[in-house]
Amino acid sequence: AQTVTQSQPEMSVQEAETVTLSCTYDTSESNYYLFWYKQPPSRQMILVIRQEAYKQQNATENRFSVNFQKAAKSFSLKISDSQLGDTAMYFCAFMHNNAGNMLTFGGGTRLMVKP
Amino acid sequence: EAGVAQSPRYKIIEKRQSVAFWCNPISGHATLYWYQQILGQGPKLLIQFQNNGVVDDSQLPKDRFSAERLKGVDSTLKIQPAKLEDSAVYLCASSRGGLVYGYTFGSGTRLTVV
Repeated sequence: AQTVTQSQPEMSVQEAETVTLSCTYDTSESNYYLFWYKQPPSRQMILVIRQEAYKQQNATENRFSVNFQKAAKSFSLKISDSQLGDTAMYFCAFMHNNAGNMLTFGGGTRLMVKP
Repeated sequence: EAGVAQSPRYKIIEKRQSVAFWCNPISGHATLYWYQQILGQGPKLLIQFQNNGVVDDSQLPKDRFSAERLKGVDSTLKIQPAKLEDSAVYLCASSRGGLVYGYTFGSGTRLTVV
């Protein structure tokens, strides 16, 4: 079974600064996807960024980028130029085809961006 | 495109009562998921449908939870009878399927059992 661990229950960052959220996972699969989702108080899970395991290049989406270390099974999210609207819960998630594309989530990190 | 619609947004019931949640996925999305998110935790899969067939319901407490997806479109999730530990947000998500596609989530239903 796959497990996803987020070791930082809460983090805070000053507006305009950079913050990194950590995620580790455990799997024996070789072909899989990793995701970061944002969940604001509205509760809707919003996809932030996605990484295919077979791609060595780290994914980037505007101010969001990942550091994917496949051998170490690590998948951290870096948020640059943090904005007040980035305040939310962030969940790391794992998906592979052998599990019917089921998402396995970590426990989440609550991020507070301070003005 | 319209998103995943869920209702109701909030529900408060007493223990041992029954409750039902409704989900309308994005048009054309064959795969539908129900996740349970207990406060302070990440979502956990309850059941997955492919069209109107069940793909995975191994984590669904079948003694009290049931779900159906009629005609491969809308889905309902029912709890009967509810327990205090069922208090959670119930998220519905849909996908076109395949690893390359992500999910689209609804805004969830927050259930409080008192």
